[in-house]
Amino acid sequence: GNSVTQMEGPVTLSEEAFLTINCTYTATGYPSLFWYVQYPGEGLQLLLKATKADDKGSNKGFEATYRKETTSFHLEKGSVQVSDSAVYFCALSRIQGAQKLVFGQGTRLTINP
Amino acid sequence: EPEVTQTPSHQVTQMGQEVILRCVPISNHLYFYWYRQILGQKVEFLVSFYNNEISEKSEIFDDQFSVERPDGSNFTLKIRSTKLEDSAMYFCASSGGTGRSGETQYFGPGTRLLVL
Repeated sequence: GNSVTQMEGPVTLSEEAFLTINCTYTATGYPSLFWYVQYPGEGLQLLLKATKADDKGSNKGFEATYRKETTSFHLEKGSVQVSDSAVYFCALSRIQGAQKLVFGQGTRLTINP
Repeated sequence: EPEVTQTPSHQVTQMGQEVILRCVPISNHLYFYWYRQILGQKVEFLVSFYNNEISEKSEIFDDQFSVERPDGSNFTLKIRSTKLEDSAMYFCASSGGTGRSGETQYFGPGTRLLVL
């Protein structure tokens, strides 16, 4: 079946550090891939997405590239801020049928000033 | 900006009691979803709903669960007889309605359910 694996957290970085959160997936065909973010006390918000291989999603300085060769969608940011502290979820949706999202386990990110 | 809202934000109930979790999806959206997240675990799909019927449900969504769109704005999840293991954060989501892969789902802030 379809599944998503994220790097284990929690991750703690200093402000302005480079961020990578790894995400790999298993799916039939070529799903769409997403990163959602959950700030403290809030719901899940779409951060970025990519719907086909080699697409790059980007938003708020975050980027992720859909790599079908390595079945990966790693999240990166060149210089993190304290306000980026949140839980980040990688997810996929299938190309056919109801587009339920399959989530990874989430990675808690804490940025220290 | 339109958003998905959920009520209540927290719910405490006794085992065996019925609970109804409420959601107001974004007004022009056509697909509705419920997900849940048990503390420390993944966000899991429960059910999707389109055109006034369930379009898909997971194995978690057994006979104790039901969904309803009682009017033009609300979308509810009912748990008939709660169990301890139903304690979780429940998220409602909606999407515009193409139903195609890649369409963004917009999530509400969640209802934290605690079953004692």
